[in-house]
Amino acid sequence: EAQVTQNPRYLITVTGKKLTVTCSQNMNHEYMSWYRQDPGLGLRQIYYSMNVEVTDKGDVPEGYKVSRKEKRNFPLILESPSPNQTSLYFCASSPITAARTGTTNYGYTFGSGTRLTVV
Amino acid sequence: AQSVTQLDSHVSVSEGTPVLLRCNYSSSYSPSLFWYVQHPNKGLQLLLKYTSAATLVKGINGFEAEFKKSETSFHLTKPSAHMSDAAEYFCVVIRGGSQGNLIFGKGTKLSVKP
Repeated sequence: EAQVTQNPRYLITVTGKKLTVTCSQNMNHEYMSWYRQDPGLGLRQIYYSMNVEVTDKGDVPEGYKVSRKEKRNFPLILESPSPNQTSLYFCASSPITAARTGTTNYGYTFGSGTRLTVV
Repeated sequence: AQSVTQLDSHVSVSEGTPVLLRCNYSSSYSPSLFWYVQHPNKGLQLLLKYTSAATLVKGINGFEAEFKKSETSFHLTKPSAHMSDAAEYFCVVIRGGSQGNLIFGKGTKLSVKP
């Protein structure tokens, strides 16, 4: 089954304790991205990756890091989490043609989300 | 620059009555537009997409949307609401070019009363 898998689904942590949220896709998509969802703000892009070893900042990158060493994996790293990073996080993937041309016949595939609470 | 505006943060309908969720877009070229649905404590599911093939787009679960260039609108409709339609709905446009990310509206929460 084609899917994007995020882990963990739920995470409660303390301020300053480094954490990683994993994201893996099995569709051979070049493009992957992380979003955070906050009430009344919709989803906002944190980082994205056009391919292996190619990553760039989205609209709200502060406090986050990513890496793309393999095509299928795109982990989100919080080196020193703070309470304002409490949010619902989604990973998404798509064929590169969708990202480059702004058109797609596929849409983007989202993971099930990770609810992070930083206390 | 591409953007979407969802005109209602909350819509409430009775079961069996029509649903209208409004979305206006702004784009410097012909956009790709989507509607996604998020049920409580669930991920995001693609409802339908517009990619310039046809202005009236049919999606899953009886939803459809019409792309109106003259009005820069992409409103989501359903003739008869069902209790299971209660969810949050997002209108989305793709920002093409090097960043290529999805730009989300702020969402419309749909409530369905028995």
